[in-house]
Amino acid sequence: DAGVIQSPRHEVTEMGQEVTLRCKPISGHDYLFWYRQTMMRGLELLIYFNNNVPIDDSGMPEDRFSAKMPNASFSTLKIQPSEPRDSAVYFCASSFGRDQPQHFGDGTRLSIL
Amino acid sequence: EDKVVQSPLSLVVHEGDTVTLNCSYEVTNFRSLLWYKQEKKAPTFLFMLTSSGIEKKSGRLSSILDKKELFSILNITATQTGDSAIYLCAVPTDSWGKLQFGAGTQVVVTP
Repeated sequence: DAGVIQSPRHEVTEMGQEVTLRCKPISGHDYLFWYRQTMMRGLELLIYFNNNVPIDDSGMPEDRFSAKMPNASFSTLKIQPSEPRDSAVYFCASSFGRDQPQHFGDGTRLSIL
Repeated sequence: EDKVVQSPLSLVVHEGDTVTLNCSYEVTNFRSLLWYKQEKKAPTFLFMLTSSGIEKKSGRLSSILDKKELFSILNITATQTGDSAIYLCAVPTDSWGKLQFGAGTQVVVTP
C-alpha cells in the first residue's frame, strides 16, 4: 500500500516568496495532520483535519500560514510570504480513526534564504 | 498544561548493549501513549500502549506502560547499528487524537 506522499521533497526559495507544500494521505484515512520539525522546537503540530474539515489550527504560527484540504486525497500547506525562520522539515501524517497511530510522509525540507 | 518528557535526551552505546528509554507524561484524560522511531526521514510507528503492565513486543524492542506512575519505557535489547535513531514518545491531548510529542531520545549505537 502507498504511504503518505509529500511533495516536494526539498524546497529552497528566497524570503518573501510563496511556498506550497502538498500531501496525499493514505487512502481511507479520515485524519490528516501537518507538523513542523526543527532542532530547537522538536515536532510541533500545526493543524489537523477530520473528514476534510479543519479541527484545530492553534499551532499555525502566524497568518502567513494557511492549510486546505479540498478533498479526501489532497491537502496543501501554504506560507506567504515566507521568512528564513520558516526553514524546517514539514511533515504530513494521516490516520484512520481518532485513536489510531498516525503514519507520516517523508517530509519536505524547506529552506528560506 | 499537558506535558511529555523524555529521558535521557541522548545516549551512546556499543552494539549488543541493552537500552532503556523513558517517557513521562501529564495529560488530562489519558487514553494512550505511542512510540515512534525516526531515522533520517519520517517517524515510523512502533507501539501504542493503552493498558498498564501489559508489555508490547516486536523483535528486540519492547515497551510497557505504568498509568499509576505516569510513565512508559522502551527497551531495546542486543542493540545493532541500525537501531541508531531518535525515539519519540507521544500522547493524545484532545478528544480528536491530537498528539503531543516529547523532545525525543537520540540513540547512537557504535560498532
